[in-house]
Amino acid sequence: AQSVTQLDSQVPVFEEAPVELRCNYSSSVSVYLFWYVQYPNQGLQLLLKYLSGSTLVKGINGFEAEFNKSQTSFHLRKPSVHISDTAEYFCAVRALGGSYIPTFGRGTSLIVHP
Amino acid sequence: GAVVSQHPSRVICKSGTSVKIECRSLDFQATTMFWYRQFPKQSLMLMATSNEGSKATYEQGVEKDKFLINHASLTLSTLTVTSAHPEDSSFYICSARASGEDYGYTFGSGTRLTVV
Repeated sequence: AQSVTQLDSQVPVFEEAPVELRCNYSSSVSVYLFWYVQYPNQGLQLLLKYLSGSTLVKGINGFEAEFNKSQTSFHLRKPSVHISDTAEYFCAVRALGGSYIPTFGRGTSLIVHP
Repeated sequence: GAVVSQHPSRVICKSGTSVKIECRSLDFQATTMFWYRQFPKQSLMLMATSNEGSKATYEQGVEKDKFLINHASLTLSTLTVTSAHPEDSSFYICSARASGEDYGYTFGSGTRLTVV
């Protein structure tokens, strides 16, 4: 089984500042990793995913994430945030092979202040 | 890209009535659809997995007689909340997986159900 830990439930930041949202996972097998964003009263939108290859993954809206196998982490970063980035962010993991059902973290609320 | 349409986006119903939520894949065939429930400020809780033409697989603790799932075609799955009660009020989200797609699930926009 897999588990996902998002250490920060809420991250406040000022506009144009950099941000990092942390995600750690636990799994006995190799995994795929995902970050999703959820705006209020909407479904989830895929930001980026790591499947294999380069550990630095670039996604939409200027976000990127780095897979660190030794630290079992997949932190999400953006060098300069906008007010419109205020949303809930979910990290998810899925084991290679086996069940294709992803496991989600509890989410991190990113709040961008002007 | 793949699009999943979920309707209605909001619904208010009286206690004891039933509510149907539709989830449609618009430009791909969804062999598998997932139904989630999300409580305020919490993550998604998987309720059930439905495969086209077969019975849904419910997660432990989810009442299958209360949350009826039908996946009659490759593009449509429905979730019916039967005899709804106020504690069923929540945000329900569907997602779909295309045949051969091993990663990246497309989510619907969610349905806010309020039972009064």
